This record gives sequence, structure tokens and C-alpha cells, in this order.
Amino acid sequence: EVQLLESGGNLVQPGGSLRLSCAASGFTFSSYAMSWVRQAPGKGLDWVSGISAGVPNTYYADSVKGRFTISRDNSKNTVDLQMNSLRADDTAIYYCAKGSETSGRRGYFDSWGQGTLVTVSS
Amino acid sequence: EIVLTQSPDTLSLSPGERATLSCRASQSLSSSYLAWYQQKPGQAPRLLIYGASSRATGIPDRFTGSGSGTAFTLTITRLEPEDFAVYFCQQCGSSPLTFGGGTKVEI
Repeated sequence: EVQLLESGGNLVQPGGSLRLSCAASGFTFSSYAMSWVRQAPGKGLDWVSGISAGVPNTYYADSVKGRFTISRDNSKNTVDLQMNSLRADDTAIYYCAKGSETSGRRGYFDSWGQGTLVTVSS
Repeated sequence: EIVLTQSPDTLSLSPGERATLSCRASQSLSSSYLAWYQQKPGQAPRLLIYGASSRATGIPDRFTGSGSGTAFTLTITRLEPEDFAVYFCQQCGSSPLTFGGGTKVEI
């Protein structure tokens, strides 16, 4: 059974930084792209970033480009999201999602974690 | 960026009725790259349909996806109480990956 467990969400001040982590199990982690998808309170889903399997090509939404960095450790089956220069509109539940393909810029999400809440507020 | 527009925003129906949800794309999609998700309050989204019409593992056959090009539909025949939720479509063929705004199916 695929399991994705996010951690690292917290309350942070505007301009601050936070690192989210997702621990994966139940599948061959190194063979699949991984993504982070967020959902602001009461709003829809918003893809944030994706990272390919193998050669770790990375992809970002324009809203986070230059501020967020996605990375993966295939030896530990983890994918991280380093978030810098956080803004109030980054407040959301952040979900880790397993991609259906090897490319981080294509594919649907066949498994999701339960999410971790990031609140950006002074 | 490919924009997905879902309609209606809210669908008010009763158990046993049929639900028809629409998702329109701002440019033509390969059918291989259109997915549908279900989300219940307090839960993560769940994959229902991929490739426009293929049901994900464990999804009952009352959920049917169809469409091509820029127009896609999710049909739920004979709504069950557990089907009342929010449904999102997603284009997954090009970056940035994008979602529609969602359709809430309520009693």
C-alpha cells in the first residue's frame, strides 16, 4: 500500500522560511515523479512543484518560482520542499502526491498524503 | 498555461439521481492527460479517472469519464450518499499542471 506522510508545516512570519518533507513507502520511489500540491482554506487545488524520477529535473508554478525548491533523496524515499520568502498567500495545506510518470511536468496523481498546514501570518 | 473551467460550481441533487459535471480546457488536450479527483471535507483528494475515461483502482462503475479536445465530462449515475463531495478536473500533459476550480455535488 502506498503511503505518503508529510511533515514540517507550521506557523511562520511573512518573509520567513520553512522546509516540508514527505516520507514515501509502498512503491519503488525512485521510479516515479513526485509533486507538491497546495490548497488554500476553502479554495481549490494548486500545483506547486514537481520533480522527475531519476535525473531530478524540477518544475515550478510561476507563483513560487525563485522562492521554493523541491528536492528528493531516493536513498531515503523522501521529497522535500524548501520554502523561502513566504507570503500570506502561501497559506495552505500542502499535499505530497505521487505522479503517474517519471517526468515531473506530466502525469496525474494516483496517491496523496494527508497534507501539512502552512500558515504565514504575523 | 492551460486553464480549466468547471461547471456548474454547485450541483444540488438527491441520492439515486444522475450527476453530470463539465470541464472545459482553454486549449486542446490529449485525452491521455485529463484526470478527475474527488475530495471530501477534511480529506485529501482521491483519483477517480485518468486518461479521460479510465477508472482508477477501486472506483465503482457508476463513475464514468468521457470527452476529448477541450470538453470533458464526469458522470455519476445513481448518486450514493458517499458521492456528495467536491470534484476537480486536472490537465496533466504540460507544465504548469493545472486544476479546474471544482464542482460541489451537494444534497
